[in-house]
Amino acid sequence: DAGVIQSPRHEVTEMGQEVTLRCKPISGHNSLFWYRQTMMRGLELLIYFNNNVPIDDSGMPEDRFSAKMPNASFSTLKIQPSEPRDSAVYFCASSLNLGRADTQYFGPGTRLTVL
Amino acid sequence: AQTVTQSQPEMSVQEAETVTLSCTYDTSENNYYLFWYKQPPSRQMILVIRQEAYKQQNATENRFSVNFQKAAKSFSLKISDSQLGDTAMYFCAFMKLLAGGATNKLIFGTGTLLAVQP
Repeated sequence: DAGVIQSPRHEVTEMGQEVTLRCKPISGHNSLFWYRQTMMRGLELLIYFNNNVPIDDSGMPEDRFSAKMPNASFSTLKIQPSEPRDSAVYFCASSLNLGRADTQYFGPGTRLTVL
Repeated sequence: AQTVTQSQPEMSVQEAETVTLSCTYDTSENNYYLFWYKQPPSRQMILVIRQEAYKQQNATENRFSVNFQKAAKSFSLKISDSQLGDTAMYFCAFMKLLAGGATNKLIFGTGTLLAVQP
């Protein structure tokens, strides 16, 4: 079975540009998580969804960040406008359900560089 | 707020030897889960092992085992018969259970970089 799929794997953009990261969770998983990994802050949860509904977005750094999950098989994380401090690796993860601490399976990540 | 501390930024072990990675956490919760994730150079985050706080028995997965000390809030990972493929960053993580059983976010430690030497 395919794991969590993220695209693109690498993204280089200039400050001020819009960036869209994409994620396809494992089929049948109902929960989806977006994480960011930086040297300074480590791994931190940005937002997570259950059954396509955002449950907790308290980790989203500011209004420049937005996430959507229009259906069970697709989610996006958008940064507009992007800034150099947004440079990081962004991970998407999915799990079967909330409520049972099901294992979160991570995608390969998207390395974002904002110049 | 919960915090997870990994006090060993880097460790090294010889192939076939045993190594223990430390993790402590701070919480006032009684019900929670603990995890160890591995991040090899490929960057993929891979679950190594998990422990439910209500279980006294330490979890084991083949060469990987934990020493869970709930009173001390300690959750160390032991890797036996270390292999070159174990070279990776290892993250300890905490997950609180909300009322009704809903899971909450994973809170990660800063990681320990383990190098297995041939």
